[in-house]
Amino acid sequence: EVQLLESGGGLVKPGGSLRLSCAASTLGFSTYSMNWVRQAPGKGLQWVSSMSGSSDYIFYADSVKGRFTISRDNAKKSLFLQMSSLRTDDTAIYYCATGFGYSGANGFYFQDFEYWGRGTLVTVSS
Amino acid sequence: QSVLTQSPSASGTPGQRVAISCSGSNSNIGTNPVNWYRQLPGTAPKLLIYSNNQRPSGVPDRFSGSKSGTSASLAISGLQSEDEADYYCAAWDDSLNGVLFGGGTKLTVL
Repeated sequence: EVQLLESGGGLVKPGGSLRLSCAASTLGFSTYSMNWVRQAPGKGLQWVSSMSGSSDYIFYADSVKGRFTISRDNAKKSLFLQMSSLRTDDTAIYYCATGFGYSGANGFYFQDFEYWGRGTLVTVSS
Repeated sequence: QSVLTQSPSASGTPGQRVAISCSGSNSNIGTNPVNWYRQLPGTAPKLLIYSNNQRPSGVPDRFSGSKSGTSASLAISGLQSEDEADYYCAAWDDSLNGVLFGGGTKLTVL
């Protein structure tokens, strides 16, 4: 079983930056696509970003495009999310999750988020 | 606008069978496989169903998924008190180039 541990959350002012990390326990880290999903307080799940194992494919939700950057270090079995120009509506628990990438009829897509971390809380407030 | 629509709530009594529906469109459920996730209060989501109707190892066969056209459904048979949770459908959307989650269905076991 894969264990994931997020870190880096905290309180930040609007317009500020934060870098989240996700450490994985699995030796097969590079075979997984990795994903960030967030959940605002009392709300549902919202996909944030996904990256393939070899970093060839990267996608972002429109709400974070241009402000957030996903990256990974396969040697260190780690995933990152650099967040800048933070807004109050970015306040949420941020989860990292393993997944798989597939080639479909209309291109590459991500699916099957099997293992999840416990999440790290990001609060954007003045 | 691409969305996955779920009923906000569902309920059932112990032992009963309940179904949770998820409605999408051609750009998501109509083209790509559906996942279902369960989230118990205060915990991370858990993958229940992948590829429309497949269960990961360890998920009881009380949980089953199906898809028809642009809609999907999660059925839970032999309802148990510990099934009380939020359930989310999800699918890749080709128009958005991203994963869409449904709004979630809160299941109450009466």
